[in-house]
Amino acid sequence: AQSVTQLGSHVSVSEGALVLLRCNYSSSVPPYLFWYVQYPNQGLQLLLKYTSAATLVKGINGFEAEFKKSETSFHLTKPSAHMSDAAEYFCAVHGGTSYGKLTFGQGTILTVHP
Amino acid sequence: DAGVTQSPTHLIKTRGQQVTLRCSPKSGHDTVSWYQQALGQGPQFIFQYYEEEERQRGNFPDRFSGHQFPNYSSELNVNALLLGDSALYLCASSYRHTGRLGNTEAFFGQGTRLTVV
Repeated sequence: AQSVTQLGSHVSVSEGALVLLRCNYSSSVPPYLFWYVQYPNQGLQLLLKYTSAATLVKGINGFEAEFKKSETSFHLTKPSAHMSDAAEYFCAVHGGTSYGKLTFGQGTILTVHP
Repeated sequence: DAGVTQSPTHLIKTRGQQVTLRCSPKSGHDTVSWYQQALGQGPQFIFQYYEEEERQRGNFPDRFSGHQFPNYSSELNVNALLLGDSALYLCASSYRHTGRLGNTEAFFGQGTRLTVV
């Protein structure tokens, strides 16, 4: 079985500051991990994914995440926040089979202050 | 490329009624998954269709059913609507390769906002 825990339902940063959104996972098989972003009243957009290649994954809009097996973590970072980054972010783990479902965390709302 | 399209975008239904939501997958995709996202929550997996069959199901009652057509589009049906069924319903499509690498990237539609009153 898989599960995801996102630490912090709300994160607030100033424009230009570091963004750090935390995600810990539990998986009975080597995981595939994802970060999605959701803007108000919209669907989910894939930011980046880890599928057992490089442990540091770069995504769109300057985001990156590092897979740490020893810590069962996949935290999302961005060196410098922009106002347009304000949205809700979801970490997800793949079910590990060909028919695998995605199991999502509860989400973290990112607020960026000018 | 049209991406994943869902219809309708918004829907209001009365308790006890039935509803059908529709999804057209991204071009080239053959697998459709449905998720329910209640307000303030992460999406919850309902079920997944491939080759017109339900392949995996989440923890949802039988009131939730689906269908996949030969052109890979899909419908989600919910019977006997409850107030608690109010949510954003998301459709995701992907291309199923053989082996565990299948479905490693799902594309989501904009969702259907269902309100049950």
